Amino acid sequence: GENVEQHPSTLSVQEGDSAVIKCTYSDSASNYFPWYKQELGKRPQLIIDIRSNVGEKKDQRIAVTLNKTAKHFSLHITETQPEDSAVYFCAASIYSNYQLIWGAGTKLIIKP
Amino acid sequence: EAQVTQNPRYLITVTGKKLTVTCSQNMNHEYMSWYRQDPGLGLRQIYYSMNVEVTDKGDVPEGYKVSRKEKRNFPLILESPSPNQTSLYFCASRKERGNQPQHFGDGTRLSIL
Repeated sequence: GENVEQHPSTLSVQEGDSAVIKCTYSDSASNYFPWYKQELGKRPQLIIDIRSNVGEKKDQRIAVTLNKTAKHFSLHITETQPEDSAVYFCAASIYSNYQLIWGAGTKLIIKP
Repeated sequence: EAQVTQNPRYLITVTGKKLTVTCSQNMNHEYMSWYRQDPGLGLRQIYYSMNVEVTDKGDVPEGYKVSRKEKRNFPLILESPSPNQTSLYFCASRKERGNQPQHFGDGTRLSIL
């Protein structure tokens, strides 16, 4: 079955710098890759997603890139701000399978 | 407003006392799921349901039951709760198949003494 690995588990960056979180997946049939942000004590919320027919997607300061050959995808946050501090989860799923397989999460700390 | 509603938000109870956590969504989603979240372990799926009367085990189903008698509701039942089920629980729903955004409820924090 599918397995998703996420790195790093903790990432500390200076405010204003960029942050990159990486995930690898094992099943080449996976075709949907969402990223969720979870602030302390709150529910996970979708921040961006990408489908396998696209290599990159951007939404303001957030971007996701997908390398299907290498089976990895990454979240890029530019010009980080204090409100970006949270835990970020990646996930992968196959269209025909109802399952989202989750990474273990990355705690992003933005240092002032 | 489109939402997933869980109740209760917080519950402290004792070992062996049956409890039910309710989950309801108003988006007419076919797919619903329960997760538990423990420090350092991310989100682990307990059970999921692809539609009314169709449920299946996730990664950590032991000690839990679910039912899906109506499309909007997906309760999580702990028949005989134990301390190792102390956790933060999330219900989620999604439309149709795999590549659709999943919507989460606000979570239920359970403490089993």
